Amino acid sequence: DTGVSQDPRHKITKRGQNVTFRCDPISEHNRLYWYRQTLGQGPEFLTYFQNEAQLEKSRLLSDRFSAERPKGSFSTLEIQRTEQGDSAMYLCASSPSTGDQPQHFGDGTRLSIL
Amino acid sequence: QQPVQSPQAVILREGEDAVINCSSSKALYSVHWYRQKHGEAPVFLMILLKGGEQKGHEKISASFNEKKQQSSLYLTASQLSYSGTYFCGTARNDYKLSFGAGTTVTVRA
Repeated sequence: DTGVSQDPRHKITKRGQNVTFRCDPISEHNRLYWYRQTLGQGPEFLTYFQNEAQLEKSRLLSDRFSAERPKGSFSTLEIQRTEQGDSAMYLCASSPSTGDQPQHFGDGTRLSIL
Repeated sequence: QQPVQSPQAVILREGEDAVINCSSSKALYSVHWYRQKHGEAPVFLMILLKGGEQKGHEKISASFNEKKQQSSLYLTASQLSYSGTYFCGTARNDYKLSFGAGTTVTVRA
């Protein structure tokens, strides 16, 4: 049973550049979530997909952020015109579509903005 | 709304017990507990549902008081491997988790 896979593990970029992260969920999981985690804090919910449908977006997700899950499998999270405040760990999680199931997290992508 | 965890940190010797508390001001559907080690993904420990069901994982157990919107995680006879940051995630529906700031547990030999 392979877990949730995220790529890249680390991304360093200059302010103003665009970045894209990829998440491959556990294969039989219909639900996919993106979270952001900063140092000393718990993960913060960003967005949620049920198959290919994006069902909820946090107000934290400004219009510089966009997420897709085109075929209901892998997902991408893009940040346009990155800012210093975007520096964080971006975590992806997946779960089965039935309720009361645990979300399994990937190792995350650590984004550093220079 | 983010749940409140206490204490922020705890230091234990192997074999000692500890309790971590998580409280919410909103009615909850479920509480999820995770442990995260430095530089790693949060690892799922357990889910607690309305009804106060107590569930266990190894020597780690938890309870959920839905009337008080509180959950407690019990670390019994702690082992070195229990070190890490413990997060409670509270859910008001069946998908969206709000996490507390975490409790850092250090277990020393």
